[in-house]
Amino acid sequence: ILNVEQSPQSLHVQEGDSTNFTCSFPSSNFYALHWYRWETAKSPEALFVMTLNGDEKKKGRISATLNTKEGYSYLYIKGSQPEDSATYLCAFMANTGTASKLTFGTGTRLQVTL
Amino acid sequence: GAVVSQHPSWVICKSGTSVKIECRSLDFQATTMFWYRQFPKQSLMLMATSNEGSKATYEQGVEKDKFLINHASLTLSTLTVTSAHPEDSSFYICSARDFPYEQYFGPGTRLTVT
Repeated sequence: ILNVEQSPQSLHVQEGDSTNFTCSFPSSNFYALHWYRWETAKSPEALFVMTLNGDEKKKGRISATLNTKEGYSYLYIKGSQPEDSATYLCAFMANTGTASKLTFGTGTRLQVTL
Repeated sequence: GAVVSQHPSWVICKSGTSVKIECRSLDFQATTMFWYRQFPKQSLMLMATSNEGSKATYEQGVEKDKFLINHASLTLSTLTVTSAHPEDSSFYICSARDFPYEQYFGPGTRLTVT
């Protein structure tokens, strides 16, 4: 059973604060690491797919880094806004062929208040 | 990103009846789709991998006779919960794989069995 962990479980910040979350995953047999943003009653939105050790990706105020050797990824949000409130999920994809499955963490629930 | 629709978004049924949930990839063809289930405060748990034109692959512990999956075309997969019982009440969500590793999710279906 693959173990994907996210921390913290929840986070409450004020508008304008910068924040970051952690996703830890197995350091062996790595293929890809996915980050999703999931707002209530909506589809999880794909943020990043990261495949190379040392990868850094950015989308607006959100960025992510990847360390496959030690098995962790960080997601950063700069200058949080209320619309960033959501659950952020990471998912590990092992190198098992074309039907590789995603193993999800339990998510970090972010609430941004004014 | 690509769009995946899922219907219905919520359904209430009586114990002993069957419920069908549809998952469609709207703007891309998906040879592989996935069905997940989420219990409260837990991560998304993969139930089965659905491959177009072939039998689904079920995860350990998932009853294939209870959760019937049909992937009849490159844009449609269906999950039928047969002879539903209250313990089948849960949140079900599908995703579609866009080669090589992007995966897009529907908005999910809340099933309540009374």
